[in-house]
Amino acid sequence: EVQLVESGGGAVQPGGSLRLSCAASGFIFEDFAMHWVRQVPGRGLEWVSGVKWNGEKVGYADSVKGRFIISRDNTKTSLTLEMNSLTTADTAIYYCTKGKTQLLDSPNEYWGQGALVIVSS
Amino acid sequence: DIQMTQSPSSVSAYVGDRVTITCRATQGVAQWLAWYQLKPGKAPQLLIYSASNLQPGVPSRFSGSGSGTDFTLTINNLQPEDFAVYFCQQAHTVPLTFGGGTKVE
Repeated sequence: EVQLVESGGGAVQPGGSLRLSCAASGFIFEDFAMHWVRQVPGRGLEWVSGVKWNGEKVGYADSVKGRFIISRDNTKTSLTLEMNSLTTADTAIYYCTKGKTQLLDSPNEYWGQGALVIVSS
Repeated sequence: DIQMTQSPSSVSAYVGDRVTITCRATQGVAQWLAWYQLKPGKAPQLLIYSASNLQPGVPSRFSGSGSGTDFTLTINNLQPEDFAVYFCQQAHTVPLTFGGGTKVE
């Protein structure tokens, strides 16, 4: 059974930083792209960032480019999102997702339960 | 970036109805279109990938069609558990982008 467990969410002041982690199990982690997708409660979905199976290619939404950094550790089957210069617009539930293929441009097949990030003064 | 537009933004339906949701991309995405279902308090669920392929475990009353810029999600014989919000997503070009969602109520 595929399991994706996010951690590291919480409250932070504007301008602050936060690191989200995702522990993955139940599939061959190194064979698939991984992504972060966020949802403002009661609103839509926004793809935030993704990383190819081998970590050699990453992508970001324009709204987070230059502030967020995605990385993966295939030996530890973990995914990380470093979030810097946070603003109130970054307040959302952040989902760790497994791509359907190893390529960066693949749909989000499995989702974790989400980590809530609140940016507020 | 490729923009995705869904219509309608909401639809009222009854159990047993057929519901059709459309999604349009600002540029061609071939068949690289996915559909998701979102329910309150639950993680989104992938329903359809590559425009028309049913994700394993998803009921066959869900179907998808289209290619290029215009896509459709159809729910036949709507069931009580299908009342939710549905999103399309293009998986053709990074950044991947979602539609604004359609609430089935």
